[in-house]
Amino acid sequence: EIVMTQSPATLSVSPGERATLSCRASQSVSSNLAWYQQKPGQAPRLLIYGASTRATGIPARFSGSGSGTEFTLTISSLQSENFAVYYCQQYNTWPITFGQGTRLEIK
Amino acid sequence: QVQLQESGPGLVKPSETLSLTCTVSGGSISRYFWSWIRQPPGKGLEWIGYIYFTGSTNYDPSFKSRVTMSLDTSKNRFSLKLNSLTAADTAVYYCARGGLGTQKYFDYWGQGTLVTVSS
Repeated sequence: EIVMTQSPATLSVSPGERATLSCRASQSVSSNLAWYQQKPGQAPRLLIYGASTRATGIPARFSGSGSGTEFTLTISSLQSENFAVYYCQQYNTWPITFGQGTRLEIK
Repeated sequence: QVQLQESGPGLVKPSETLSLTCTVSGGSISRYFWSWIRQPPGKGLEWIGYIYFTGSTNYDPSFKSRVTMSLDTSKNRFSLKLNSLTAADTAVYYCARGGLGTQKYFDYWGQGTLVTVSS
């Protein structure tokens, strides 16, 4: 099983600033990596797939990068609605696995 | 717009079997992979498994001995059965649509249903 490790566990950032979230895979997942945003009481929402392709309707301030074992989700100019928990997910190798999440909170 | 809706009991007794159904609207179930994912209270996401529109299944090893997925294309819905429940199975259960072919990320999700395992 591929273990996905996200860091940091909690990230405190001020509105308007940039947030950088990391996700590391225990072995290569190529570019088969997705990012999700989850707000309290809601289902996760797909942000990025293929490591860097934004899902339909996702604003350009969300960007993903990386391949192999190291991935980054960057949110430029944070807005109030962006404070949430973010998960990465690999779908390169069975079984599908998720990271433990990064909580993005207002500083 | 594709929509998914979970249905099933909110409370199940230990050792019993959980049965959930996910009804898909706004699109056909006859393509894509269809998954169940759960989230224990205050914790992260756990993939349970998926079923392809052909009926073929793939389960996470952690659940493989206890889980069965099925689908009903005539009613555009798919189902989860998880047996031998314990308190550790208490979670919000989500159904979700996976992609085509190798693209098994989840682009549409149900709202989730909380299942509590308790006597």
